[in-house]
Amino acid sequence: DVKVTQSSRYLVKRTGEKVFLECVQDMDHENMFWYRQDPGLGLRLIYFSYDVKMKEKGDIPEGYSVSREKKERFSLILESASTNQTSMYLCASSRLLSALNTQYFGPGTRLTVL
Amino acid sequence: SQQGEEDPQALSIQEGENATMNCSYKTSINNLQWYRQNSGRGLVHLILIRSNEREKHSGRLRVTLDTSKKSSSLLITASRAADTASYFCAIQGAQKLVFGQGTRLTINP
Repeated sequence: DVKVTQSSRYLVKRTGEKVFLECVQDMDHENMFWYRQDPGLGLRLIYFSYDVKMKEKGDIPEGYSVSREKKERFSLILESASTNQTSMYLCASSRLLSALNTQYFGPGTRLTVL
Repeated sequence: SQQGEEDPQALSIQEGENATMNCSYKTSINNLQWYRQNSGRGLVHLILIRSNEREKHSGRLRVTLDTSKKSSSLLITASRAADTASYFCAIQGAQKLVFGQGTRLTINP
């Protein structure tokens, strides 16, 4: 089975801090994704990556950056955390060359910015 | 918008009853997928239906797709307490999956 892990289940940070959220997958998937999930808004795509060192903006990239130095690892960075970034963050991965683009999700990181 | 819209937003039924959730969308799709999310957890893929398919089954799950109406439904038969979760449809377009806001399903014992 595909396993996607995220570095923390719960995280509390202060406004202005730099925050790193780590995601690792063990199935050699090419695609990796970062979403945030908020009540009433569903899942919104922040960034995604199709390959090492490659990134694409999603629907809400402002205030975030990403890093993909290795195929299995995709990091989400909040350069200067703000209270409106309090949310549930979900990482996912999938195969690249597949019309059946099923995504596999990690357990999520609930981030609170005070 | 390519986003799927689920209906109803919340559904509460008795254990053993069937649950039906609907998803409507506005653009052409490659496939449509359904995911489940237990409270505070990540999403789990349930079933995928391709744009040229009309119905698909997986255990107690039945998914239909009507591309002329741009709609899909997810039926869970003989519901169990463990089915309590949020259910999301996801539209597969050119490259990305776009998720709807979900239906919150509660199964009462």
